[in-house]
Amino acid sequence: DAKTTQPNSMESNEEEPVHLPCNHSTISGTDYIHWYRQLPSQGPEYVIHGLTSNVNNRMASLAIAEDRKSSTLILHRATLRDAAVYYCILRDDQTGTASKLTFGTGTRLQVTL
Amino acid sequence: NAGVTQTPKFQVLKTGQSMTLQCAQDMNHNSMYWYRQDPGMGLRLIYYSASEGTTDKGEVPNGYNVSRLNKREFSLRLESAAPSQTSVYFCASSVGLAPNYGYTFGSGTRLTVV
Repeated sequence: DAKTTQPNSMESNEEEPVHLPCNHSTISGTDYIHWYRQLPSQGPEYVIHGLTSNVNNRMASLAIAEDRKSSTLILHRATLRDAAVYYCILRDDQTGTASKLTFGTGTRLQVTL
Repeated sequence: NAGVTQTPKFQVLKTGQSMTLQCAQDMNHNSMYWYRQDPGMGLRLIYYSASEGTTDKGEVPNGYNVSRLNKREFSLRLESAAPSQTSVYFCASSVGLAPNYGYTFGSGTRLTVV
């Protein structure tokens, strides 16, 4: 499985944009880039996913590098409720591995007033 | 919508006891999953069910069994609990196995085996 690399932690001020980076230099052409977050004492929550093009939804934006070796999750205005661990995950459609999300340790985002 | 509902939320077992963790989803999803999360670690897949009537092992299946009771329900059973199974267990579901589908997770069951 292709691997992702994320910083262990990041800090942001409330109401400022946050850019969470993810490196995936061994990504294959069929790998989708998924982002999940996990708030304290809760289950993971789907945030966004993409394949090649940048994606926007009500929660965030996903910017994918042209060579797909990195991506950035963008929270446009961080709030205290965005404090969580953010996971960048690659998923492909090969038999067997397609069945699972493989979680690393993610990036712990702290948001301060 | 309730999404994915897990019961119980908390449980304490003695070593050797058995129990079943229940999971139900109301989104008409085909695929369901059981994960465990140990302190400071990411989630690890225990078992999954691609569709009603099928189950497959994940990364850490030893000590567990599962049943896909119907399209809505997917249970996880510990036949003889061990302290190493102390963890937080999450159930999830998705429309299907394809990589362009997102997962919806439940809020978890916190299990302690003493």
